[in-house]
Amino acid sequence: EVQLVQSGGGLVRPGGSLRLSCAASGFTFSSYSMNWVRQAPGKGLEWVSYITSGSTTIYYADSVKGRFTISRDNFKNSLYLQMNSLRDEDTAVYYCATSSAWGVFGYWGQGTLVTVSS
Amino acid sequence: QSALTQPASVSGSPGQSITISCTGTSSDVGSYNLISWYQQYPGKAPKLMIYEVTKRPSGVSNRFSGSKSGNTASLTISGLQAEDEADYYCCSYTGTRTLLFGGGTKLTVL
Repeated sequence: EVQLVQSGGGLVRPGGSLRLSCAASGFTFSSYSMNWVRQAPGKGLEWVSYITSGSTTIYYADSVKGRFTISRDNFKNSLYLQMNSLRDEDTAVYYCATSSAWGVFGYWGQGTLVTVSS
Repeated sequence: QSALTQPASVSGSPGQSITISCTGTSSDVGSYNLISWYQQYPGKAPKLMIYEVTKRPSGVSNRFSGSKSGNTASLTISGLQAEDEADYYCCSYTGTRTLLFGGGTKLTVL
């Protein structure tokens, strides 16, 4: 069974940092590109970042560029999102998701809530 | 970039068909067939329903279909069922190595 189990969310002050993790099992993690997608409370989905299977190509949404860093460890079957200089508007449920092509998110994690507040 | 434009809500009775539109620009929806649709129940992760405009993943009911004309993509659900009541989001590649989602549409089954 494919599973993406997320961890690392929580409450953080504006300007602070947080690292999200996404542990994969049940499929060949090293063969899939991965993404982070977020959803602010009561709002729609927003794509955040993308990383290829071998970490050779990485893209970010303009809203997080320069503040967030996506990475992965194929030996640990894990995806990460390092979030720095957090802002109130970064408050959201963050999902990790596999992708087989642009915008084709086949498997999703359960989501983890990040709250940025003073 | 602004989100793709979707109606905030649509409704239909069981057995009817409904269509949800997703309007972008000639730079995103109008230029690429990389359009996908997601179904999301409250408190749950989204689920892929349609990809590359018209393709259905294995396991998704053939009551769900997608299309595109110009800068507008559409999701049609036929034979509406109570379990279809959920939020639906479209997603498009933008051509600048980024993706754009629609604002979401709440489907109510009357």
